Amino acid sequence: DAKTTQPNSMESNEEEPVHLPCNHSTISGTDYIHWYRQLPSQGPEYVIHGLTSNVNNRMASLAIAEDRKSSTLILHRATLRDAAVYYCILRDYNAGNNRKLIWGLGTSLAVNP
Amino acid sequence: DTGVSQDPRHKITKRGQNVTFRCDPISEHNRLYWYRQTLGQGPEFLTYFQNEAQLEKSRLLSDRFSAERPKGSFSTLEIQRTEQGDSAMYLCASSLGGQGFDEQYFGPGTRLTVT
Repeated sequence: DAKTTQPNSMESNEEEPVHLPCNHSTISGTDYIHWYRQLPSQGPEYVIHGLTSNVNNRMASLAIAEDRKSSTLILHRATLRDAAVYYCILRDYNAGNNRKLIWGLGTSLAVNP
Repeated sequence: DTGVSQDPRHKITKRGQNVTFRCDPISEHNRLYWYRQTLGQGPEFLTYFQNEAQLEKSRLLSDRFSAERPKGSFSTLEIQRTEQGDSAMYLCASSLGGQGFDEQYFGPGTRLTVT
């Protein structure tokens, strides 16, 4: 699976937008881009995923660069509850029975009141 | 609460002892995963089941580790002769299955401390 690179940490203020970047320069044409997050002392939870087009859901937006070598997770209005580690993960669903997710170190997001 | 439960939530054991963890996935989910997470790191894949069949095992899963999913429902992860390096959070996840995108739902984890 292709690797991703994320900043170790970021900081935001409550009710402001947050843009979390992810670089994946070796992404293949069939890799989906996923974002999961992990709140303190909890298991990870799914946030959003996409292949080529930008995606929106109730939690966040995912902006994917035209060359797909980078993407950005956008939290439109950060809340204190959004303080978590955010993981950007690539996964090729054409790769047979290989269903596992390969996790990096993620970005630790701090939200200031 | 995602619907995936793990038991126990915390386990303290002495080096050399055996431990067993249980995971109850969301009932209609066909796939079940085990991951291990140490402090400051992302989760590392251990093994994966499709119904009762164990389809993939990581090289991290030494012969002291064994996982089962009898009848394709709950799963157990056993660690024999525990070592201090086994101290970690053990996460279980389940997913519905099928082709294409398959969201994984994670349990709260079992934190193992080996003294």
